Amino acid sequence: DAGVIQSPRHEVTEMGQEVTLRCKPISGHDYLFWYRQTMMRGLELLIYFNNNVPIDDSGMPEDRFSAKMPNASFSTLKIQPSEPRDSAVYFCASSSIGKTNEQFFGPGTRLTVL
Amino acid sequence: AQSVAQPEDQVNVAEGNPLTVKCTYSVSGNPYLFWYVQYPNRGLQFLLKYITGDNLVKGSYGFEAEFNKSQTSFHLKKPSALVSDSALYFCAVRDNTNAGKSTFGDGTTLTVKP
Repeated sequence: DAGVIQSPRHEVTEMGQEVTLRCKPISGHDYLFWYRQTMMRGLELLIYFNNNVPIDDSGMPEDRFSAKMPNASFSTLKIQPSEPRDSAVYFCASSSIGKTNEQFFGPGTRLTVL
Repeated sequence: AQSVAQPEDQVNVAEGNPLTVKCTYSVSGNPYLFWYVQYPNRGLQFLLKYITGDNLVKGSYGFEAEFNKSQTSFHLKKPSALVSDSALYFCAVRDNTNAGKSTFGDGTTLTVKP
């Protein structure tokens, strides 16, 4: 398996623009997670899905952020409009059903908002 | 609510010496505990986990961790450190009432000097 795939790997945009990050989880995994990592705040869970349904979005910072999972093999995280403080590395991770299973992380998308 | 504490932001050891990265946790039920490693510009990678059974867990790259229920700790250890072990290490906990979500610590930067 190719692992969790994220695109793009790097994104540079200007303040006010819409940004869409994409994730393909490992086939057969039931859970999908979106995280944000910054030096100041560390690793933050933004939202996670189980069987394509959002379970907990309490980590989404504000209404400018939205996430969807239209099917088991694809998810998006959208920021509209983007702001400089959104600059971070965004990770997608997936895991299989069951409480014990570890998460598999993608390589991340480094977002820079100018 | 579940929580994880990694009391040291940084750990420095000399190559060949033993290393310990500390982790304590708080959960309402039985804990499922994980260690992940993050190399520069990469996503987190799973190292090892404790679910049940033997308190000493062995994982990838020669790492091991000891579960101590009375001290609510899950310290990561390695008998002989390598320069290539230098990375950011995260402890994570999941309780048995929440199948999907793990709580991650703030991370500890391990530096192994030649």
